[in-house]
Amino acid sequence: QVTLKESGPVLVKPTETLTLTCTVSGFSLSNARMGVSWIRQPPGKALEWLAHIFSNDDKSYTSSLRSRLTVSKGTSKSRVVLTMTNLGPVDTATYFCARIPSGTFRNYFDYWGQGILVTVSS
Amino acid sequence: QSALTQPASVSGSPGQSITISCTGAYSDIGGSNFVSWYQQHPGKAPKLVIYDVTERPSGVSDRFSGSKSDYTASLTISALQTEDEADYYCCSYRSNITWVFGGGTKVTVL
Repeated sequence: QVTLKESGPVLVKPTETLTLTCTVSGFSLSNARMGVSWIRQPPGKALEWLAHIFSNDDKSYTSSLRSRLTVSKGTSKSRVVLTMTNLGPVDTATYFCARIPSGTFRNYFDYWGQGILVTVSS
Repeated sequence: QSALTQPASVSGSPGQSITISCTGAYSDIGGSNFVSWYQQHPGKAPKLVIYDVTERPSGVSDRFSGSKSDYTASLTISALQTEDEADYYCCSYRSNITWVFGGGTKVTVL
């Protein structure tokens, strides 16, 4: 059974750095071309794709936030970590991690975590 | 990166069919067949209902279908049911391993 679960702080102060962890089970991040993306959704607003990491460590970021984002695999092979620096109130959102299945030309998110609501406030 | 354009809302009566459009550019919808659609009920995570423009994941009702013409993708829900009331998002692959979502469409079952 494939599952993803986000964890991290739910309240962050402005200018601080946010670190979120996505813990996966039921599949291996080592599978060829398996990948995990981070996607966020401000309250009442649309989904926004943020970053992606493949099993071979290839990474990509949305251009508008590239300078503030870092995605990596945790020390455990079942974890993906997202770091976002210099947070502001506009970064208040539910943050999801989602899987891209293994294989070539797979460009859709088949499994999602439940999401974690992060509020940026002093 | 501009989001894909979707209508804010679409409504229909039970049993009717509705279509949600999603308009992009050559760099995304026009240039690939990697368009997917997600259903999101309030307070829940999105759920994949269509991928690769027309493909339906196992377990998704065959009342959901997808298509694409030029720079516009579409999701059609036939025989509308009350449980279809939700927000729907399109998503397209873009170059350099990036993805872009649409602004979302709220589907109301009258």
